[in-house]
Amino acid sequence: DTEVTQTPKHLVMGMTNKKSLKCEQHMGHRAMYWYKQKAKKPPELMFVYSYEKLSINESVPSRFSPECPNSSLLNLHLHALQPEDSALYLCASSQDRLLRGTGELFFGEGSRLTVL
Amino acid sequence: DAKTTQPNSMESNEEEPVHLPCNHSTISGTDYIHWYRQLPSQGPEYVIHGLTSNVNNRMASLAIAEDRKSSTLILHRATLRDAAVYYCILRGPMDSSYKLIFGSGTRLLVRP
Repeated sequence: DTEVTQTPKHLVMGMTNKKSLKCEQHMGHRAMYWYKQKAKKPPELMFVYSYEKLSINESVPSRFSPECPNSSLLNLHLHALQPEDSALYLCASSQDRLLRGTGELFFGEGSRLTVL
Repeated sequence: DAKTTQPNSMESNEEEPVHLPCNHSTISGTDYIHWYRQLPSQGPEYVIHGLTSNVNNRMASLAIAEDRKSSTLILHRATLRDAAVYYCILRGPMDSSYKLIFGSGTRLLVRP
């Protein structure tokens, strides 16, 4: 099983809503990632969790709140978003710290978010 | 993270080889060269990586210049399914090893 599963695939929300994106992997990976991708742009790193602890926050606004309840699950809680936050949100996982420049990330298909 | 430079787009005919170039003139001695690709409506997927020697796997080959300032991803026989954005990424050693930072990539169009 080499899958990273993201739900929902599509989400439409208003600026006052609270919603969550979910990500799950069963590969025994201990590092999990959130990326944001705007149309025709490369993915941008948002957060990295390592062993369920937040390891990297790339100066993401607080309206995005990540959570890693266990080693298989990663959530992204969304609150008071802006229309410019509309994007594809990608989850990824890897075995551990990508040692000495090697190792690979496994990505899900993404959750496409539209903020009205 | 060191920068990479790739052409914005390339075209190929189906069943012909494709050579996707990447320049990384500021690469350090400990940086690995990674390639990922992103098919339409999918997340990126790992293709290949290398340090100094050329590398082959079931998906592609990676040719690394002797001075390591450039590399080429080689798809031996392009198929329509290979139409994707291909990203060349440099990854450093331990300090930054959680970060995979994508550049702008090359959009590959495969003609039937």
